Amino acid sequence: GAVVSQHPSRVICKSGTSVKIECRSLDFQATTMFWYRQFPKQSLMLMATSNEGSKATYEQGVEKDKFLINHASLTLSTLTVTSAHPEDSSFYICSPGQGARQETQYFGPGTRLLVL
Amino acid sequence: KQEVTQIPAALSVPEGENLVLNCSFTDSAIYNLQWFRQDPGKGLTSLLLIQSSQREQTSGRLNASLDKSSGRSTLYIAASQPGDSATYLCAVGSTSGSRLTFGEGTQLTVNP
Repeated sequence: GAVVSQHPSRVICKSGTSVKIECRSLDFQATTMFWYRQFPKQSLMLMATSNEGSKATYEQGVEKDKFLINHASLTLSTLTVTSAHPEDSSFYICSPGQGARQETQYFGPGTRLLVL
Repeated sequence: KQEVTQIPAALSVPEGENLVLNCSFTDSAIYNLQWFRQDPGKGLTSLLLIQSSQREQTSGRLNASLDKSSGRSTLYIAASQPGDSATYLCAVGSTSGSRLTFGEGTQLTVNP
């Protein structure tokens, strides 16, 4: 299966700071990247979908100016949480896609964000 | 809007028991359905993928069934082991793209 890495795995930051999360698709050309968020004891919720070289599409209720997504290459996508607040504390998971319909979906190991 | 529900939310069984996890979805127009395993603080591991035209898939001690018309899927785990302890997530793939809609998961504990 595809190898997907995320960095950092855990981050603690102060309220008001920005945090960048990297997602790398190591053996898989990700023309599409899905970013999910998972709050404690809840399931994954899709935040946004990005296509390489173009703007991301955000789900309803997700602020595009707060969660900046950059998908500049086929192997790297970044999610930046700007002016983080405690309610942004969550588990962020990326999932690469190849645009056309693919079979099994693969996921990164996730990034745990805690905003104090 | 697709909604996915998983029952039970939590399950605790003794080692060796066979068990069934349930997943239901509201819109039967799906492309596929996947079962994932998630260990605490970790990402997701794909267990089984069932295409909308299929009725079941098997991998080792795992068997997943799909009844698209009734909007239901089950994950059967045979001869459960303590290492099976994890949260099991059901996710439905839409026909309009690669979007997945997840259930809230079943937290399984297998006691030695």
